[in-house]
Amino acid sequence: QVQLQQSGPGLVKPSQTLSVTCDISGDSLTNNVVSWFWIRQSPSRGFEWLGKTYFRSTFYFDYAVSLKGRLTITPDTSKNQISLHLTSVTPEDTAVYYCARQGQWLNLDSWGQGILVTVSS
Amino acid sequence: DIQMTQSPSSLSAFVGDRVNISCRASQSIGVHLNWYRQNLGKAPNLLIFGAATLHSGVPSRFSGSGSGTEFTLTISSLQPGDVGTYYCQQSYRTSLTFGQGTNVEI
Repeated sequence: QVQLQQSGPGLVKPSQTLSVTCDISGDSLTNNVVSWFWIRQSPSRGFEWLGKTYFRSTFYFDYAVSLKGRLTITPDTSKNQISLHLTSVTPEDTAVYYCARQGQWLNLDSWGQGILVTVSS
Repeated sequence: DIQMTQSPSSLSAFVGDRVNISCRASQSIGVHLNWYRQNLGKAPNLLIFGAATLHSGVPSRFSGSGSGTEFTLTISSLQPGDVGTYYCQQSYRTSLTFGQGTNVEI
């Protein structure tokens, strides 16, 4: 059974970098038929896709254009985890952040528990 | 991005009722449509993928139909444990998008 365990700070100051980590168990980060997503949810914008990484002999990355280059996803195969780093945050980045696995049938079949990150001074 | 529109935004029904939730895509997505339920403070749980395939462990009272731009999630006999917010989500494009949700109450 795949389990995703997230960790990270609940409060980040404006202009700083927001970082959240997702520890994966029950699957391998290098599974070459799945992808690993970051998604956030807020009352004002609903669910918003942020980015993904997937391994096909090497790691590939896709990022939402709306984030304008502020997002980096870093995979760590030694820890079997992925991390999200969102720079220059503003209060509009306040949301619950989720990691999720997209299975071979293109569904999000496993989710982390979610972390509420508030951007405030 | 592909826009996903759900209706209704909320509904209240009796135990045993048949419930339908609609989802419309702004362009054709084939059958690349998934349904989730989210309970308060929790992550979404997958119910149906590929428009009509029941995810493992999901009760058979749930079913999905549709293709192209029009999709429906049906609960054949609503149970108390079915309360929550239901979301459709397209996986036709990497830039996944979700509907705004349908809140189901008993």
